[in-house]
Amino acid sequence: EDQVTQSPEALRLQEGESSSLNCSYTVSGLRGLFWYRQDPGKGPEFLFTLYSAGEEKEKERLKATLTKKESFLHITAPKPEDSATYLCAVHPTGTYKYIFGTGTRLKVLA
Amino acid sequence: DVKVTQSSRYLVKRTGEKVFLECVQDMDHENMFWYRQDPGLGLRLIYFSYDVKMKEKGDIPEGYSVSREKKERFSLILESASTNQTSMYLCASSIRDRASPLHFGNGTRLTVT
Repeated sequence: EDQVTQSPEALRLQEGESSSLNCSYTVSGLRGLFWYRQDPGKGPEFLFTLYSAGEEKEKERLKATLTKKESFLHITAPKPEDSATYLCAVHPTGTYKYIFGTGTRLKVLA
Repeated sequence: DVKVTQSSRYLVKRTGEKVFLECVQDMDHENMFWYRQDPGLGLRLIYFSYDVKMKEKGDIPEGYSVSREKKERFSLILESASTNQTSMYLCASSIRDRASPLHFGNGTRLTVT
């Protein structure tokens, strides 16, 4: 069964304290893996698409990486405005469905 | 930028009412989706449409129906609202033919009393 698991569920960081969020996935075939940021009361905002193992994408303080079994979202020197829930989703081959993890709630303290 | 617009940010309805949630996208995307999001359960797919007048049931279609009469518009209908349908409803769209990301609207927070 296709599955996505994110860890940790919640993470508190001091401003400037770098860390990583994990997204483990199990699919028979992967068309793409996606990272989203979601602020309270709003819809998810698209961040990155990763298609194959070894691929990396960067945007400001965020860097996403992909292996055959998991993806990491690295946050370098985070700021309070990076506080949000980060969602991971996979699009398996042979289906229209996207499978979402339950997210990591990130809180960055000033 | 892709824009997905949901007609209401907040709705309060009574049990038994028929409820319409509207979604419009402006990027000519073929695929449109309706999800609900609940704490601890993540995003769950209600319905999906890959073309005008075409629809597929998602994981939790019971109590819901959809309508797609025009490519840019996808409506979610709660035939007889119940309290367990209190949730955040999210509409999304995507391009059909490659592994493209979903683009989401800002959601409708529905409360059924």
